[in-house]
Order: sequence, then structure tokens, then C-alpha cells
Amino acid sequence: EDKVVQSPLSLVVHEGDTVTLNCSYEVTNFRSLLWYKQEKKAPTFLFMLTSSGIEKKSGRLSSILDKKELFSILNITATQTGDSAVYLCACYSGNTPLVFGKGTRLSVIA
Amino acid sequence: DAMVIQNPRYQVTQFGKPVTLSCSQTLNHNVMYWYQQKSSQAPKLLFHYYDKDFNNEADTPDNFQSRRPNTSFCFLDIRSPGLGDTAMYLCAIGQGGTGANVLTFGAGSRLTVL
Repeated sequence: EDKVVQSPLSLVVHEGDTVTLNCSYEVTNFRSLLWYKQEKKAPTFLFMLTSSGIEKKSGRLSSILDKKELFSILNITATQTGDSAVYLCACYSGNTPLVFGKGTRLSVIA
Repeated sequence: DAMVIQNPRYQVTQFGKPVTLSCSQTLNHNVMYWYQQKSSQAPKLLFHYYDKDFNNEADTPDNFQSRRPNTSFCFLDIRSPGLGDTAMYLCAIGQGGTGANVLTFGAGSRLTVL
């Protein structure tokens, strides 16, 4: 059975801190890994990663995939209170719909 | 403008009283999904449609049904909700075919069963 595991499950940091969120996976016929941000509404798409070692970057957020060790990290630098959310990692195998991890709940306090 | 619209956003129902949740999309994507997300848990896939082809996950309770009358609309019917069905129900759309599948989600329908 395909599995996506995120850690930590929750995290509290102060504004300005840098955080690293982890996602490991065991997925048959892996095609891509996606990161979503979920506030009190629908998940919104952040990144899609398909190749190892190529960093995707958007502002203060960046992510990278390691297909040998089967994990990805999401980095957020200079965190702001608006970064508070649940960050979901999901994997796509091409055969079945996305498999999600439980998410990491990030709280950024002023 | 929202591309995936779910209604109602919030629904409170009594144990055993049927509920219908709706989802509409403006992008004409051929794949539509229903996920159930309970508090502090991962979204769990209930069903998905690839065009008109219906795919039911093996562990989706029989209590849950779905309809897709056309490309734009999809419904989730819960025939006799139990307390354990309290959750956020997320509708998502995607483009089918090979390659990665980036889903676009609706805002969700939060169901509370009393």
C-alpha cells in the first residue's frame, strides 16, 4: 500500500525563524510529489517535484526531492504569521489518485 | 474567481438524516475527486470520476454515493450519516492523462453530524 509520512506533525516557531518540513514516501511507480498549503479552506498548490536534486523556489519557500532516499523537504525562510497553516505532502503514481500525508501543522507566532 | 465551487460550505445534520454536497467546476477538467478529511488527518479519497467512469475506493462505506450528471457537476450523497462522518469534504479537479496530476481543490464542505 502506498504511504506518505510527514514530520513533524506540528511545529511552533517565532516570526523570522527558518523551518524545514519533511515528507517521506513509499509509492509504487512514483511519478511526482506535490506540496500543498491548507489554511482554513481548500489546499492550495505550492510545488510539484519530479526530478531529484532540482530545487523549486517561490519567494521564501523552496523544496527539493531525493528519489534515492524517497523524501522531500519544504523550507520556509524568514517565517511570517501568514505562513501558519497545515502543509500537505502528496504523491502521484500515475495509476491512482494522489496519496496524501497527514500534514504538518505550522504555527508562526509574533 | 473560484474554479471549484462547493456547496454548502457548512452543514449540520442529525444522525441518519441524508445529506447531499455539491461541487461544480469552471475549467472543464475531466477528472473529479471527493476526499474526506477528518480533524488532524490526511485527506482520504472516497471516489473519483475519470470522465464518466466512476471509481470507488475499496474502503469507502456503502453509505456514501456519488453522481456526476455532466462534466461540470458532481454530488456526494451520504444516505444515513453517522457521527463518524463528521469531517471536511473536499472536491478536487484534475486533468487526466499521463504525467503528474496537480489537483485544484474547492473550499470544502464542513459537515457536522449530531
